[in-house]
Amino acid sequence: AQKVTQAQTEISVVEKEDVTLDCVYETRDTTYYLFWYKQPPSGELVFLIRRNSFDEQNEISGRYSWNFQKSTSSFNFTITASQVVDSAVYFCALSEDRDDKIIFGKGTRLHILP
Amino acid sequence: EADIYQTPRYLVIGTGKKITLECSQTMGHDKMYWYQQDPGMELHLIHYSYGVNSTEKGDLSSESTVSRIRTEHFPLTLESARPSHTSQYLCASSESWGTGTGELFFGEGSRLTVL
Repeated sequence: AQKVTQAQTEISVVEKEDVTLDCVYETRDTTYYLFWYKQPPSGELVFLIRRNSFDEQNEISGRYSWNFQKSTSSFNFTITASQVVDSAVYFCALSEDRDDKIIFGKGTRLHILP
Repeated sequence: EADIYQTPRYLVIGTGKKITLECSQTMGHDKMYWYQQDPGMELHLIHYSYGVNSTEKGDLSSESTVSRIRTEHFPLTLESARPSHTSQYLCASSESWGTGTGELFFGEGSRLTVL
């Protein structure tokens, strides 16, 4: 069965520091999709990225970057030069090609301290 | 901006009442989902649908039921609410990106309190 593990429950860093959020997944499928979502204190869920299992290229979007490594079943998310507005809960999620369930990890609560 | 709407946003009801949480999307998405989330906690998938007349249970056992008679509408019903049902319920929809599931668009949520 598919599973997503975000071992870091809560992280606090000082503004401008870099921070990496870990995500480890389990799946029996060879085709699957990984996602990251942000949930700020206002509560809405914001889509950040989707990556399919055949595309192992790392991705950078502004201060955000993602490191996908199939060998370790990880899809880690790094924020460079963090800002207070990055404070939120971040969820990693997985969808297998065999069905359309999207399963979320437990989330990592990130505090960026001024 | 996502066009997915949930009503009511907030609901406080007594034990034993029947409630229906409404979810509608105007994007023509085939896939729709219901998640349950306690404040600051993980999202649990309770129901999903591939399209009209298709519904599946998610990983979290739930006493709720869903229906999908029209593409745009995916209501969730609790026949007899209990205090353990107190939670936030999030509806989402998704289109397919070639193969597989694309971005989830979430509604603003329905916060249910059962007294």
